[in-house]
Amino acid sequence: DQQVKQNSPSLSVQEGRISILNCDYTNSMFDYFLWYKKYPAEGPTFLISISSIKDKNEDGRFTVFLNKSAKHLSLHIVPSQPGDSAVYFCAASRNYGQNFVFGPGTRLSVLP
Amino acid sequence: DAGVIQSPRHEVTEMGQEVTLRCKPISGHNSLFWYRQTMMRGLELLIYFNNNVPIDDSGMPEDRFSAKMPNASFSTLKIQPSEPRDSAVYFCASSPPGTGANVLTFGAGSRLTVL
Repeated sequence: DQQVKQNSPSLSVQEGRISILNCDYTNSMFDYFLWYKKYPAEGPTFLISISSIKDKNEDGRFTVFLNKSAKHLSLHIVPSQPGDSAVYFCAASRNYGQNFVFGPGTRLSVLP
Repeated sequence: DAGVIQSPRHEVTEMGQEVTLRCKPISGHNSLFWYRQTMMRGLELLIYFNNNVPIDDSGMPEDRFSAKMPNASFSTLKIQPSEPRDSAVYFCASSPPGTGANVLTFGAGSRLTVL
């Protein structure tokens, strides 16, 4: 009954290539989505967000795409760098609220 | 700003003991959240406070868990008695007032090991 799913526990990508991390959600009331990055022994840090009124948000090498009809969002990292190796969490909330539901995370490894 | 401060960073205790985790949110943030991270379930929300008032504690696993926020700059998460299955990393996070652009700022976490 997970409301936010990240079906790939891990992903390996070559340096310089594109990384695509996927996230699916079940609750159609979610209207605000975040991606967090987490390094070992540190707390998650905010990466990028998107609201349901948009289908794309870009910040440097990071772009988040939202497909509301499919209840799917993805994070694209181009080009991928070894420093991007981390666990990435997708999170969603309702009514632009602060009560975020997190997915289980995807571990990204960028190989030099 | 020192960010969200959690203590202790590591705690090893024996089953049956009481454990208290502490959190100091960012000054000016009015919402505080306790999350638990495990390999199996990822990041789970345990409880969150708004203006020091508990708003949603539906994620608290059972009565052994309790959380308080006596003032805007301090919160505790207590487990009594602790059990081995409580072993996890517990994160505290805070967020500022307002809507639409809220993000959570996390502390570095408290790693709890219950033997």
